[in-house]
Amino acid sequence: EDQVTQSPEALRLQEGESSSLNCSYTVSGLRGLFWYRQDPGKGPEFLFTLYSAGEEKEKERLKATLTKKESFLHITAPKPEDSATYLCAVQAGNSGYALNFGKGTSLLVTP
Amino acid sequence: DTGVSQNPRHKITKRGQNVTFRCDPISEHNRLYWYRQTLGQGPEFLTYFQNEAQLEKSRLLSDRFSAERPKGSFSTLEIQRTEQGDSAMYLCASSVGQGATEAFFGQGTRLTVV
Repeated sequence: EDQVTQSPEALRLQEGESSSLNCSYTVSGLRGLFWYRQDPGKGPEFLFTLYSAGEEKEKERLKATLTKKESFLHITAPKPEDSATYLCAVQAGNSGYALNFGKGTSLLVTP
Repeated sequence: DTGVSQNPRHKITKRGQNVTFRCDPISEHNRLYWYRQTLGQGPEFLTYFQNEAQLEKSRLLSDRFSAERPKGSFSTLEIQRTEQGDSAMYLCASSVGQGATEAFFGQGTRLTVV
C-alpha cells in the first residue's frame, strides 16, 4: 500500500534560520511528487512537481529535491510569511490520478 | 478570478439532513477531483472525473456520498443523511492534460454537522 510520511510534524524557526522538511514515500511506480502550501482555512496552494530522482525545483526561498525514497523541501532564510502547513503528495501508477497526501509539516517562522 | 471556485464556503446542517456542494473548475480543465480534509490531516481522496466520466472512487467512500459532473463542466458532491463524522473541509481540485500534472485546489467548503 502506498505510504507518504512527513517529518517533522511541526517546526519552529527563527526568521533567517534555514531548515529542511522531509517527505518519505513508498509507492508502486511513482508518476509524480507534489509539494503544496496550505494556510489555515484555505485550500492547498501548488508549489512544485518532481517526476524523477535527482530532479530539483526552486521558487524564491524554497527548493524541492527528490530521491528514490524521499523528497526534501529546503527553506532558505525563511520569513514570517512562510509560516504555513506544507503538504507532500504522490501520484502512483497503481492509483490512477488520485493524490496520496502526507499529514503535512506545520511551519512557524518567528521574527 | 479564474481559479477553482467552491460554494458554499461554509455549511452548518443538522444530522440526518442532505447537503450539496458545488465546484466550478478552472476553465478547460478536463480532470476534477474531490477530497476531504479533517483537522491535522492531509486531504483524503474521494473521487475523480475525467470530463463527465467518474473514473475513480475511493473504497472508503460511503454510499451516502454521490458526485456528478454533467457535461464535463461544474461538479456537485451530495452527502445524504449526514452524520457528525462527515464534518470536515471538502476540497475540489482540477487539472489539465495527460499523465501526472499538478492539481489546483479551491478554497474548500467547511461542513459542520450538529
